[in-house]
Amino acid sequence: GIQVEQSPPDLILQEGANSTLRCNFSDSVNNLQWFHQNPWGQLINLFYIPSGTKQNGRLSATTVATERYSLLYISSSQTTDSGVYFCAPGGYNQGGKLIFGQGTELSVKP
Amino acid sequence: DTAVSQTPKYLVTQMGNDKSIKCEQNLGHDTMYWYKQDSKKFLKIMFSYNNKELIINETVPNRFSPKSPDKAHLNLHINSLELGDSAVYFCASSQGQGGRFEQYFGPGTRLTVT
Repeated sequence: GIQVEQSPPDLILQEGANSTLRCNFSDSVNNLQWFHQNPWGQLINLFYIPSGTKQNGRLSATTVATERYSLLYISSSQTTDSGVYFCAPGGYNQGGKLIFGQGTELSVKP
Repeated sequence: DTAVSQTPKYLVTQMGNDKSIKCEQNLGHDTMYWYKQDSKKFLKIMFSYNNKELIINETVPNRFSPKSPDKAHLNLHINSLELGDSAVYFCASSQGQGGRFEQYFGPGTRLTVT
């Protein structure tokens, strides 16, 4: 089955810093989503991005499907960005499923 | 307006009991899912239904039985609860099946088995 690797596993930032989270996957996919799980456990959709680049405020994401990776950029980080970031590629080759990575745990310090 | 809702939010019960978690979506989606998040935060799909039909059934103990009375609802019934069933269970929905549609998640149900 598809392998999904996220890096780094943990990240500590000072408020205002920028960061890049990476997601590598081992098979072709029709779907890739980025989620933020906040400290209260809620899973928040950030991006649906099977290919290309999207931006939403201070966040942006790029998926290069042919090279099987996706990047999530967080600029001017805030304490409310803390939590775990998951990427989840998936699609037909994965039996119609999303396969979650192990997550990047981000802590933003004031 | 909550898009995907789950009840209850917290569930504490003893080993051997039977419990149910309910999920409803008001997005008009055709496909619904149950995921399990373990203590290490690893998320894995358990089941998926499309228009009340089971389409994904992962390697899950028979004690777990999903039921979809209509396409807006997907419930999860768990028999003879075990300590290892303690986890957060998420319901999700998407416009269609095949894994290529964006999935939207509910708030989760934290199940604790004592």
